[in-house]
Amino acid sequence: GNSVTQMEGPVTLSEEAFLTINCTYTATGYPSLFWYVQYPGEGLQLLLKATKADDKGSNKGFEATYRKETTSFHLEKGSVQVSDSAVYFCALIRRGSQGNLIFGKGTKLSVKP
Amino acid sequence: DTAVSQTPKYLVTQMGNDKSIKCEQNLGHDTMYWYKQDSKKFLKIMFSYNNKELIINETVPNRFSPKSPDKAHLNLHINSLELGDSAVYFCASSQDAGGTITDTQYFGPGTRLTVL
Repeated sequence: GNSVTQMEGPVTLSEEAFLTINCTYTATGYPSLFWYVQYPGEGLQLLLKATKADDKGSNKGFEATYRKETTSFHLEKGSVQVSDSAVYFCALIRRGSQGNLIFGKGTKLSVKP
Repeated sequence: DTAVSQTPKYLVTQMGNDKSIKCEQNLGHDTMYWYKQDSKKFLKIMFSYNNKELIINETVPNRFSPKSPDKAHLNLHINSLELGDSAVYFCASSQDAGGTITDTQYFGPGTRLTVL
């Protein structure tokens, strides 16, 4: 079946540290891949997306590259800020799935000053 | 100018009651969804509607019934509430469904349901 696996959290970093949150997927066909972010007490916001192999999504200093050969979509940021503290969800939509967005279990990031 | 809105934001109720959560989107999207986020933050789709027609109906108890009076609204009605229904429920919408580039889903702020 289709699934998304994210690294277990929580992840605690100091401000300006480098961030990587690993995400791998299993899907039939070629899915679209997404990272969503959920700030404390809020809903989900789309952070970035990629729709085909080798695409790089980027937003707010975050990046992720769609790697078909390793079925991965790792999230990176060069220098995190306290305001980046949130839960990050990797997700996929398989084409033809009628929009069934399949989420990973989320990774909580805490950034300390 | 909220894109996807839900009411209420918090809902506390007794076991056995019937309650509804409302969702509205002003993005002109064709497809709307309901997701459930459990206490461990895991998100799973429950339903989706495309142009008022049910297209995804995951394995949820039939106590949960979505209703779409028009393309901009998708309400969730829950009968005979149980303790295990306590969760955060998110509404979302997208331009279309089927895995095309426009399938970005935009989420509402969530409704935290607590069943006592």
